[in-house]
Amino acid sequence: AQSVTQPDIHITVSEGASLELRCNYSYGATPYLFWYVQSPGQGLQLLLKYFSGDTLVQGIKGFEAEFKRSQSSFNLRKPSVHWSDAAEYFCAVGGHTSGTYKYIFGTGTRLKVLA
Amino acid sequence: DTAVSQTPKYLVTQMGNDKSIKCEQNLGHDTMYWYKQDSKKFLKIMFSYNNKELIINETVPNRFSPKSPDKAHLNLHINSLELGDSAVYFCASSPVGAGSNEQFFGPGTRLTVL
Repeated sequence: AQSVTQPDIHITVSEGASLELRCNYSYGATPYLFWYVQSPGQGLQLLLKYFSGDTLVQGIKGFEAEFKRSQSSFNLRKPSVHWSDAAEYFCAVGGHTSGTYKYIFGTGTRLKVLA
Repeated sequence: DTAVSQTPKYLVTQMGNDKSIKCEQNLGHDTMYWYKQDSKKFLKIMFSYNNKELIINETVPNRFSPKSPDKAHLNLHINSLELGDSAVYFCASSPVGAGSNEQFFGPGTRLTVL
């Protein structure tokens, strides 16, 4: 069965600093991997996704993520964080379990940005 | 031009009541989902419908009954509400086909059971 781990529940960074949010997954085949962002009181918005090809994926809002098969990781990065990036970030893995395709979400990482 | 919409946005009700949450998507997608997000922000899938047919039914109490009158709508009816049902419920949709498809989420419905 697939699973996703986001080891960091909370992360605090200063505005302008770089950011890396960790995501580790477990899945028997090549997974489909996603990063979503949830602003307070809002739904989830897709930042980026990976399912094949170049392992460095560019997304919206200046985010990127790198798929590392050897480490079963799909970490999200941003070189310079803006105050508006404060939100909850979810990593998700899509794959087939018992013949049915479904998403499994990580528990999320809450990002706080200091002015 | 809202892609996935849910009504109501907030729902406050007493234990034991029956309530419904409606979801509509105008993206032409074939697959729709209901997720529950608990107080710790954990997101868990509840149901998935593909072209009005139920394809995922996680271990959800049978007090929860999804209804899909057409492929653009997936409503969630909850009978005999309990305190533990308090959560944010998200509807989502995606195109049919390979699992690389993105899911588009609605804004959520915050359900509070008193």
